[in-house]
Amino acid sequence: SQTIHQWPATLVQPVGSPLSLECTVEGTSNPNLYWYRQAAGRGLQLLFYSVGIGQISSEVPQNLSASRPQDRQFILSSKKLLLSDSGFYLCAWSVRGRYTGELFFGEGSRLTVL
Amino acid sequence: AQTVTQSQPEMSVQEAETVTLSCTYDTSESDYYLFWYKQPPSRQMILVIRQEAYKQQNATENRFSVNFQKAAKSFSLKISDSQLGDAAMYFCAFNGGSQGNLIFGKGTKLSVKP
Repeated sequence: SQTIHQWPATLVQPVGSPLSLECTVEGTSNPNLYWYRQAAGRGLQLLFYSVGIGQISSEVPQNLSASRPQDRQFILSSKKLLLSDSGFYLCAWSVRGRYTGELFFGEGSRLTVL
Repeated sequence: AQTVTQSQPEMSVQEAETVTLSCTYDTSESDYYLFWYKQPPSRQMILVIRQEAYKQQNATENRFSVNFQKAAKSFSLKISDSQLGDAAMYFCAFNGGSQGNLIFGKGTKLSVKP
């Protein structure tokens, strides 16, 4: 069966510090991968998605970047965090080539920038 | 632009009763998928139910069912025989793109009273 893991689960970082959130998927190949951010009262906002290694699409201009160094690994990064980067970050995957539209989510990472 | 609107920020239901959560969406596409996701306090997003737009029959998953009105662009979720474990945030989501990106509503917080 397929599983998705992301870490760390909780992170408290000072303003200006770097960030690295990691996500890995097991049990499937060539998945579409996504990073969403959830802010209070705003639902989920798509940040990045990837259809393959090294292929990243950004949905929203921001202080963050994403990379996909391996087929089933997706990393969310920042060189210098801002207060506005605080939130709950969710990694997700979907089956490429199947137009089902269903996304499978990780457990999420709570980021607090102080 | 495609949008999803959940007009009920909070809802409350008595245990064993029935509750309906509302969702409307806006799109010019004719072929798409709609979803209801549940996010319990653990924060992991869990798929509750899925509806394909080309299917006229409303989807059902045990105590969960939808009322899909394509012409009205309405997609409500009905929870029958509500249980304490149903308490969570519920998100309506739309997918009309080949990349599988989901567009989410802002969510409805459901409380279940014993």
